[in-house]
Amino acid sequence: ETGVTQTPRHLVMGMTNKKSLKCEQHLGHNAMYWYKQSAKKPLELMFVYSLEERVENNSVPSRFSPECPNSSHLFLHLHTLQPEDSALYLCASSQDHSQVTYGYTFGSGTRLTVV
Amino acid sequence: RKEVEQDPGPFNVPEGATVAFNCTYSNSASQSFFWYRQDCRKEPKLLMSVYSSGNEDGRFTAQLNRASQYISLLIRDSKLSDSATYLCVVTWMDSSYKLIFGSGTRLLVRP
Repeated sequence: ETGVTQTPRHLVMGMTNKKSLKCEQHLGHNAMYWYKQSAKKPLELMFVYSLEERVENNSVPSRFSPECPNSSHLFLHLHTLQPEDSALYLCASSQDHSQVTYGYTFGSGTRLTVV
Repeated sequence: RKEVEQDPGPFNVPEGATVAFNCTYSNSASQSFFWYRQDCRKEPKLLMSVYSSGNEDGRFTAQLNRASQYISLLIRDSKLSDSATYLCVVTWMDSSYKLIFGSGTRLLVRP
């Protein structure tokens, strides 16, 4: 399997649930990212990991908790979310955090609905 | 002023038409520039990088104007399959390295 794989593709959760989003990349990249895409808004960068170390946290609420156990895997743990957190959550990777000459490779995303 | 600004469209054009999108960015220290394409309910995919000298890839031509801080994308001989949202992406460094996306321009190519 190649590229960036995200699971699940769709997720519906209640506000009291705890769930996790998973991202896996098979490209040998060193940097991984979580983005949020809400309707009619630009992609918002949430977290950046470079060589398994978090290098960016863009004022994301603590109900979102990232985890990067190794350079190929990235998780986003969710708990006590709000309906306004419903969005498409995209994982991406790049060769290196500080050099993105070839841009990012995105996963297919997880479409999250909070009820 | 938004960091990266695009006309949301939609641009509604017939097959075979030539269409152009512009994107303006606020940071004069921006380093790299890209156009991404995003189909409905799918992930963004890199269409092309944008170089200072301008570059072409088949029917697609990208230009960069650093003085005026805008980039453009020209699509010639539009196909139905070109219908998508086109995202302008700009990178720069402040406290850390940033990749900033525009909201996208929607293109509809009709038969």
